Amino acid sequence: EIVMTQSPATLSVSPGERTTLSCRASQSVTSNFAWYQQKPGQAPRLLIYDTSTRATDIPARFSGSGSGTECTLTISSLQSEDFAVYYCQQYNNWPLTFGGGTKVEIK
Amino acid sequence: EVQLLQSGGGLVQPGGSLRLSCVASGLSVSGSAMSWVRQAPGKGLEWVSDISADGGSTYYADYVKGRFTISRDNSRSTLYLQMNSLRAEDTAVFYCAKRQSSWGGHFDLWGRGTLVTVSS
Repeated sequence: EIVMTQSPATLSVSPGERTTLSCRASQSVTSNFAWYQQKPGQAPRLLIYDTSTRATDIPARFSGSGSGTECTLTISSLQSEDFAVYYCQQYNNWPLTFGGGTKVEIK
Repeated sequence: EVQLLQSGGGLVQPGGSLRLSCVASGLSVSGSAMSWVRQAPGKGLEWVSDISADGGSTYYADYVKGRFTISRDNSRSTLYLQMNSLRAEDTAVFYCAKRQSSWGGHFDLWGRGTLVTVSS
């Protein structure tokens, strides 16, 4: 099983700041990384797929990069609606696996 | 509106059974693989099971293999998860999710989730 490790577990950020979330896979998943955002009481929402492609209707302040075993999600200027939990996921190998999540909270 | 409508959750005793359903509305999912993903209270996301677009291939996480069965009825745009021999550790919100292609890919649409509580 590919283990996905996200860091940090929690990020305290002020609105308007730039922030970067990291995800590491225990073995290469080529470019088959995705990022999801989840707010309390809601289902996850797809943000980024294939490491760097923004999903439909996702604002340009969200960007993804990386390959192989590392990927990052950058939010260029945090808005109030961006405070949430973010999960990375690999879909290169069975079983599909998620990282433990990074909670982005208001500083 | 494009959405996945879920039903079938609830309270069940350990050892009991439950069937979850997920109906696609406003879109066709017959060409897409579909999945179930769960989230225990206060925890992260955990993949449970997958089924290919034609229903011919199924995949399961080790912790549900032999107890859960995924199936689909493309004529009804409906995905199912039959859960037997339920355990307390199966307590979670279960989400159905559409995958990007007939064989897999990322999850591009999620249902709102349905809570399954296993308790005596």
